[in-house]
Amino acid sequence: LAKTTQPISMDSYEGQEVNITCSHNNIATNDYITWYQQFPSQGPRFIIQGYKTKVTNEVASLFIPADRKSSTLSLPRVSLSDTAVYYCLVHGFDTGRRALTFGSGTRLQVQP
Amino acid sequence: DAGVIQSPRHEVTEMGQEVTLRCKPISGHNSLFWYRQTMMRGLELLIYFNNNVPIDDSGMPEDRFSAKMPNASFSTLKIQPSEPRDSAVYFCASSTQGFEQYFGPGTRLTVT
Repeated sequence: LAKTTQPISMDSYEGQEVNITCSHNNIATNDYITWYQQFPSQGPRFIIQGYKTKVTNEVASLFIPADRKSSTLSLPRVSLSDTAVYYCLVHGFDTGRRALTFGSGTRLQVQP
Repeated sequence: DAGVIQSPRHEVTEMGQEVTLRCKPISGHNSLFWYRQTMMRGLELLIYFNNNVPIDDSGMPEDRFSAKMPNASFSTLKIQPSEPRDSAVYFCASSTQGFEQYFGPGTRLTVT
């Protein structure tokens, strides 16, 4: 499974855009990139998933360069409720590679 | 949909006792995952089922841990005998064919 590296922590203020970059140098051709969010005392929650270029949903955007060795999660205009741990994961979809390997994640603290 | 259901939510037991954690996946999901989260080790996969069949149990710590999925709507994770180092939050997650995983609320296990 591809190893991911992301910052341990980030600080921001309400209303700012937050970009969290994850590196995954040994991503395989069939791998996808997925981001999860986890609040204290809750299970992780899916945010966004992509394969290449840009993906956007109502919560976030995911930017993936052509070489796919990194990805950036972009959270527009964060609020206090976005304070959480964000995990970047790389995985496949075939039966044997569907399990997720969670790293340490990035702890985002949003200040008022 | 009620989401992934886990029981109990909290369990306190004495070392040496048997502990059984239960999970009901989302109806229609064919993949089920058991994870364990601690401060020291983070979120780690224990075992993964696809269509009720264990696919990857390499994360199961030792023989004291066992997991079963007798049907598509129920899974158990058993620890026998339990030890203090098993104290953690245990999450169950389910998904369809490789798409986003839905996590349950977790079971907080304390072994004294």
